[in-house]
Amino acid sequence: GAVVSQHPSRVICKSGTSVKIECRSLDFQATTMFWYRQFPKKSLMLMATSNEGSKATYEQGVEKDKFLINHASLTLSTLTVTSAHPEDSSFYICSARVWSQGTYEQYFGPGTRLTVT
Amino acid sequence: AQSVTQLDSQVPVFEEAPVELRCNYSSSVSVYLFWYVQYPNQGLQLLLKYLSGSTLVKGINGFEAEFNKSQTSFHLRKPSVHISDTAEYFCAVSPNTGGFKTIFGAGTRLFVKA
Repeated sequence: GAVVSQHPSRVICKSGTSVKIECRSLDFQATTMFWYRQFPKKSLMLMATSNEGSKATYEQGVEKDKFLINHASLTLSTLTVTSAHPEDSSFYICSARVWSQGTYEQYFGPGTRLTVT
Repeated sequence: AQSVTQLDSQVPVFEEAPVELRCNYSSSVSVYLFWYVQYPNQGLQLLLKYLSGSTLVKGINGFEAEFNKSQTSFHLRKPSVHISDTAEYFCAVSPNTGGFKTIFGAGTRLFVKA
C-alpha cells in the first residue's frame, strides 16, 4: 500500500518558537492531505484540509494564523505551529488521499509528537 | 454532517476470548465506514472498511465487521483475541459524495489480559 511519512517523529520546542512538521507521500501523488490533532487518550480532530496549489481549508475553531499549512507539491504538505504554547503540545497526524480502484483511499502518517516547554 | 459514537471507552477481555467493539453512526448522506487501530505513539492502521456490497467485511489480523444500515451500526468483532491486539480502536465514517472528510469516533481501548 501507499506510504505516508512524517518528519520529525518527535520534537520539543520552547514556548514562543515555531516548529514545522512535514508530511510526505512517498510513492504516490496526493492532491489532498489532511491534518489531524490528537490529545492524550482522545480521538483525532480534523484541523484542516490541504489542497495542492491552493489555500488550506480549516475546520471551525482552528486558528489559521497559528497553524500554517502549505501544500507546495503533490507529495509534500507542511504544518507550521507558530508561536507555540504548552497547550499546543499534542500528537499531530497527517493523511493523504488518493484515488484508487474507483474510490478514494486515505493513508495516515505515523504522527509527530510535539512538546512545547 | 456525520457523527460517530463508540459505545465503550474501554473493553477488557481475556486472551483467546471473543470481543465486540461497538460503533454507531449518524449521517444525512450515505457513508463509507472504517475501523482503524492505533498502537502507542504510532499512527493509524486500517483494519477494514465498508464501501458497498456485502455487509460483512473481513479485515486484517482476524477482525471483521458488519454493516447494519437499519441500526446505523458497524460493530467490530474478533472470535479470539491475542495479547498483541491490545491497542486503541477507532471507528470512522466518511461521506461517499467525495471530499473524504473522515470523522472519527472517540476510540475504544481494547485491553487483552493473559
